[in-house]
Amino acid sequence: AQTVTQSQPEMSVQEAETVTLSCTYDTSESNYYLFWYKQPPSRQMILVIRQEAYKQQNATENRFSVNFQKAAKSFSLKISDSQLGDTAMYFCASQNAGGTSYGKLTFGQGTILTVHP
Amino acid sequence: DAGITQSPRHKVTETGTPVTLRCHQTENHRYMYWYRQDPGHGLRLIHYSYGVKDTDKGEVSDGYSVSRSKTEDFLLTLESATSSQTSVYFCAIGQRAYGYTFGSGTRLTVV
Repeated sequence: AQTVTQSQPEMSVQEAETVTLSCTYDTSESNYYLFWYKQPPSRQMILVIRQEAYKQQNATENRFSVNFQKAAKSFSLKISDSQLGDTAMYFCASQNAGGTSYGKLTFGQGTILTVHP
Repeated sequence: DAGITQSPRHKVTETGTPVTLRCHQTENHRYMYWYRQDPGHGLRLIHYSYGVKDTDKGEVSDGYSVSRSKTEDFLLTLESATSSQTSVYFCAIGQRAYGYTFGSGTRLTVV
């Protein structure tokens, strides 16, 4: 079974600064996918970034980037130039690439990020 | 997201009553999922479907049943609602590797 752990229940950052959210995971699979989702106060779940485990290059989407350490099973999210609209709950999630799991996502507990003006 | 809708958005119900939540998609996705979101637990899988009339249990399926008679509709039923089922329920569609598209969620309160 997969597990995902986010050890930071809450974090805060000043507008325009950089913040890093931590995530560790455990899986017995050799190939898998990792994701970060954002959930603003509207409750909508929004995909922020995805990483394929067999790709060594860290994924980047505009101000969002990841630090993927496969051996350490770590997948942190870095948000650069933080904006007020980044205030949200952030979830880390993993998904096996094969087997009979039908693409099930396993989520961490979430980290509440507050961006202060 | 326009391709997936959940109803109702909010519901208050009494302990012991049956409740059905509906998920409707227009994307023709084979796979559909029901999750519940609770503080400190993130999102946990209740049930999922891999085709019409093909469903299976997730990690927190006790007290829940599902049905999928059409590709576009996936229903979640609480047979006899309990206070422990007070939660936010999300439906999702999606295939492996690309993440899910989520509905806007249903906030269910059992009193």
